[in-house]
Amino acid sequence: DSGVTQTPKHLITATGQRVTLRCSPRSGDLSVYWYQQSLDQGLQFLIQYYNGEERAKGNILERFSAQQFPDLHSELNLSSLELGDSALYFCASSVGGGIYEQYFGPGTRLTVT
Amino acid sequence: GIQVEQSPPDLILQEGANSTLRCNFSDSVNNLQWFHQNPWGQLINLFYIPSGTKQNGRLSATTVATERYSLLYISSSQTTDSGVYFCAVEHGNAGNMLTFGGGTRLMVKP
Repeated sequence: DSGVTQTPKHLITATGQRVTLRCSPRSGDLSVYWYQQSLDQGLQFLIQYYNGEERAKGNILERFSAQQFPDLHSELNLSSLELGDSALYFCASSVGGGIYEQYFGPGTRLTVT
Repeated sequence: GIQVEQSPPDLILQEGANSTLRCNFSDSVNNLQWFHQNPWGQLINLFYIPSGTKQNGRLSATTVATERYSLLYISSSQTTDSGVYFCAVEHGNAGNMLTFGGGTRLMVKP
């Protein structure tokens, strides 16, 4: 158990819908990262937050948004869902905003039908 | 961006065999991590190894940063070692994102 929690574990929804994925980092970690794992794109970085502020952005679609709250948990919002958004979404956390080991949560498996 | 290549892409071993997985990267890195993704999809941290050698039980890893590669050694493999092994690197100073290789899919047969 990495100490990073994600909910829900599984999510099945229809095209065009909106969902919210939640992540709680390890106790004491200030940075949260979101990654997407799909069959055709592999594991890709989406976005990083450090202590409530956006720090880095990767290949995140405009339909996707995220935020980190004062209690340091983070939410990833996916809207206008398409079949291609079906993937495993991971949250990771690290101690700070520098070069630290990242620990991954169990992931949320999203299926868009 | 940085390129991360892992080899071999697939590996089948008999239980008890040893193996070496390789990760090549195209530029200097600040951080390198090895992960094991088990059949349930969980990503498990194996090593945080930007340089040097580390050992943890039957697993060990070596990163030669100057030559831009890392190796993961698995000795006396067990069926529970099956899954996908990923190498991921952190490069540059615009955030701390990890760039993942394509993985090595390992199957250990009893």
